[in-house]
Amino acid sequence: SQQGEEDPQALSIQEGENATMNCSYKTSINNLQWYRQNSGRGLVHLILIRSNEREKHSGRLRVTLDTSKKSSSLLITASRAADTASYFCATTNTGNQFYFGTGTSLTVIP
Amino acid sequence: NAGVTQTPKFQVLKTGQSMTLQCAQDMNHEYMSWYRQDPGMGLRLIHYSVGAGITDQGEVPNGYNVSRSTTEDFPLRLLSAAPSQTSVYFCASSGRGQGFPYEQYFGPGTRLTVT
Repeated sequence: SQQGEEDPQALSIQEGENATMNCSYKTSINNLQWYRQNSGRGLVHLILIRSNEREKHSGRLRVTLDTSKKSSSLLITASRAADTASYFCATTNTGNQFYFGTGTSLTVIP
Repeated sequence: NAGVTQTPKFQVLKTGQSMTLQCAQDMNHEYMSWYRQDPGMGLRLIHYSVGAGITDQGEVPNGYNVSRSTTEDFPLRLLSAAPSQTSVYFCASSGRGQGFPYEQYFGPGTRLTVT
């Protein structure tokens, strides 16, 4: 399987703290994306970073990419209870296929 | 825009039955895909399409067929349902640029149980 892995599998923090989750993948990529999934819902796209980029910001989100280590991290700053969800990374390669990681379950305690 | 729609939301099948999961998008996206999501496994790609008339296999295609006769629709057919196909199925669509798909828009999912 070419599936990636997120780390940690589960994360519980207090509201206002920062949350960091990591993603490792196995093959060379064209881009890497992060998605959020609320319980019982479909996935929602958060941010895309291309293979030639090292860091990207969007609001309270900061994503880094290290292609030499085949890893990425997602930082959510000043977390809110509404950020409680599962977070997945997904990579695309030259074959037009998406490979999703196994997800990090984030709980933000009010 | 309705985005990506999926029907039905829930389905129970008996082993050996067949059915079609419907997926439609109104964003004129070239790229459409089907995933299954199982506990602890993340999402796995079943089939995908880069345009009308073009389909290809993903990571777990066995037991499933797809077709893409229009840009809007991408149905997934279960040929002979098995308990191992009990899962939540998501359809997604994406625009493409420079030959690669961009961010995907997901439907709400179909929860399928095979007894």
